[in-house]
Order: sequence, then structure tokens, then C-alpha cells
Amino acid sequence: DIVMTQSPDSLAVSLGERATINCKSSQSVLYSSNNNNYLAWYQQKPGQPPKLLIYWASTRESGVPDRFSGSGSGTDFTLTISSLQAEDVAVYYCQQYYGLPITFGLGTRLEIK
Amino acid sequence: EVQLVESGGGLIKPAGSLRLSCAASGFTFGNAWMNWVRQAPGKGLEWVGRIKSETDGGTTDYAAPVEGRVTISRDDSRNTLYLQVNSLKTEDTAVYYCTTVRRGTNAFDIWGRGTMVSVSS
Repeated sequence: DIVMTQSPDSLAVSLGERATINCKSSQSVLYSSNNNNYLAWYQQKPGQPPKLLIYWASTRESGVPDRFSGSGSGTDFTLTISSLQAEDVAVYYCQQYYGLPITFGLGTRLEIK
Repeated sequence: EVQLVESGGGLIKPAGSLRLSCAASGFTFGNAWMNWVRQAPGKGLEWVGRIKSETDGGTTDYAAPVEGRVTISRDDSRNTLYLQVNSLKTEDTAVYYCTTVRRGTNAFDIWGRGTMVSVSS
């Protein structure tokens, strides 16, 4: 199984500041034949289902604010929120869909400082 | 509006069985690969399994912790996805979500609100 390791476990950032969440996979999720990284990011607010933010490591889902961006390749990935808003308080998960079983990181809890 | 609505959760005794349903609307269900994902109270997300569209073979894949105890099926005439879970264990206690897959990826783009399954004596 591909193990997804997120860091930090929790993060407190001031409003308007940048938030950075890291995700590392135990093996590469880059598919060489199409040069796509099989990596997604989700946001989950309390009492709600997860919401897809980013897929292919850096493609924003429709309707997701452009302050959210994804980067990285191979085994190391980053989700960046460029200017934290109050509504961004949530738990964020990375997910690999390169192989089965599909696996998620344990999540990063983002709070306001 | 694209929507997934899960039902069938509840309080079940260990060793019992349960069938969850997921009613889909607002998209062509028959073309969609569907997944079940669960989340234990206060914990992270765990993929349970998936079923491909009938045109892609309709085959299923399961996570190791549930394989042999779980069956995912679909009724495209009813736009409904099912999850049959047998020999329930306390560690199966979770919110169970159904999700669709963004075409060409295995990223989960639409989620239901989930149904809670509690396994306890």
C-alpha cells in the first residue's frame, strides 16, 4: 500500500497569512506515460463531507478559490493557501489514486492564530 | 443538481449485517465509477471499495480490512449504489460516504453527506 504522510498534524495561521501543508507518499505517484501525479487534496469542515480542492496535484476543482494551490511531483507535494480566510478552517487531506488501495493522509487541522 | 444521498445506517450488534444505499441524481449514474469511503468518529478517511461502470466491466475492488465481508453493487435502473457489510465488527463504526469519481481520475469529486453506522452490543 502507498502510505501518505502529512505534516504538520495541525497548523495555526493568522488571517491573511500563508498556510502550507505537506504530503509525502511512500512511493512515487507520478505516472510516467502521461506525466500526471495521481494526487488529490480535500477540505473537510466539521459536520460536512470532504470537498475536492485539487486533483492531478495542481489542478483546481471548479469553484475552488484561487488562493488554494497545489504543487509537487513524485513523492512530495504541498497544498498552499495564499491568504488564509476564516472559512478555510478545516481538516485537509491528501489522497493518492495511483494504485489500489486508494489511500489518504491522516489529515492536517488548520486553525486561525 | 448533482446529489448523492446515503441511507441505511444505524445501530447494529457485532456479527450483524447491514445494507447501505446511495441514491444518485443530477448526473448519468450509469457512466460513473462509484466508491464508498468511511470515517470513524474523530478519525481520518478510509477507502472501502469501488465499482466501475457497467461499460467499464462493472468490476469491484475492496480494501483489505473489509474484503470478504463487503459487497458493493449497483442498480443503474434505480440510480442507486449499495454496500452490503456482513460480520460487522466494532471497528466498522463510522460514517459511510458514497462518492463519484472525476472521469479519468480516481479523485472523488461528489460526496454524499454520509450515513452513520454504529456497531455495538
